[in-house]
Formats: sequence, C-alpha cells, structure tokens
Amino acid sequence: KQEVTQIPAALSVPEGENLVLNCSFTDSAIYNLQWFRQDPGKGLTSLLLIQSSQREQTSGRLNASLDKSSGRSTLYIAASQPGDSATYLCAVGPSSNTGKLIFGQGTTLQVKP
Amino acid sequence: EAGVTQSPTHLIKTRGQQATLRCSPISGHTSVYWYQQALGLGLQFLLWYDEGEERNRGNFPPRFSGRQFPNYSSELNVNALELEDSALYLCASSLGSNPYNEQFFGPGTRLTVL
Repeated sequence: KQEVTQIPAALSVPEGENLVLNCSFTDSAIYNLQWFRQDPGKGLTSLLLIQSSQREQTSGRLNASLDKSSGRSTLYIAASQPGDSATYLCAVGPSSNTGKLIFGQGTTLQVKP
Repeated sequence: EAGVTQSPTHLIKTRGQQATLRCSPISGHTSVYWYQQALGLGLQFLLWYDEGEERNRGNFPPRFSGRQFPNYSSELNVNALELEDSALYLCASSLGSNPYNEQFFGPGTRLTVL
C-alpha cells in the first residue's frame, strides 16, 4: 500500500531564505508526482507535475526533483516571500489504473517579513 | 479559460439529511474526481467518473455516491449524513480517459454537519 509522508509538518522561515520541502513515498511504482499549494480553506493549486521518467521540473522560483529509486521528491523554493505562506502538498499518481492521487499530509510554510 | 467550478461554496446540514454537491470540469475535460479533506485525515480519494461511468471509488461507504452528466459535470451525493462527514470536498478534472493525466482542482465545497 502506497504511503506518502511529508517532513516537516510545519516550517517557519524569514523572508528571502531558500528552502526545501520533502516528500517520500513507499512504493516506487508511480506514474507521476504533483506538488500543490493550498491556502487556508481553499482548493488546490497545481505547482509542478513530474512524470516518472523525469528527474526535475522548474517553474519560476520553484524546482521539484524526483528520485523514484529512493522514493523521494523535494520542492525547492528560492528567495521565499510572505506570499509563499501556505500548505504544500505532494501527491503521487500510482502506476495502477485507479485514477486516484495519494496525498501526503502537507507542510505548512510560514514566511515572515 | 475557466477552471473547475464547484457549488455551493458552503453547505450546512443536520445529521441524517442528504447533501448534494456539484462540480463543473474544465471545458474539454471528460474525467471528474472527488476527494474528501477532513480535519486531521488529509485528502482521501472518493470517486472517479469518466464518460458518464464510475471508474473507481475509494474506501467510503455506499451512502457516498454520485453521477456524471452528458455535459461531464458531476454531482456527489451523501446520504444519511454523519457528523464525521464534515469536510472540504474537492473536485478535480482531467483531460481524456487516461487516469495518469494531470488533475486540476476546484475551490471546494465546505460541508458542515450539525
């Protein structure tokens, strides 16, 4: 059974700092991995999608990497801003034909001005 | 291009009642997914509809059901509401029937059961 873990559960950093969020999964048989952002009480905003054949994806100040063999993904945020404060969720799409994403519990990030 | 839309934004019901939640996918998307985000439990997969058919359901009781209409919009029905059904219900859509396509999420419906 696929399990997704995100560490740390919460993170507080000063503005301008570079930071890394971690996601690990127990079954390497995944089709893709997505990183999402969720503001309090809101829906999910897709940040980056990495296919299983890819090693990383970049969008602006965000860079996500994927290491299937070790069951890990990281989301790197450069030059953090107070507007980056939110909960970040990673989700794996399993290789089985289920259509479901399996989510981690998320990392709640606070960027202090 | 309009994203995934959900209605209502908030819904308050009492225990034992029925709730109906609605979702409109992104134009051109044929697959709709439902997820439940209950406090402390994280996001859990509920249902997947594609081309009007239920393709998969998560580990939820039968009182959670739904359907997909010819225009690909979808309804989630929750019967005999229980207090623990209080959660944010998120709908997502994806292009085509490929279950591996990227899922795009709506803003959610907050269901409160009193």
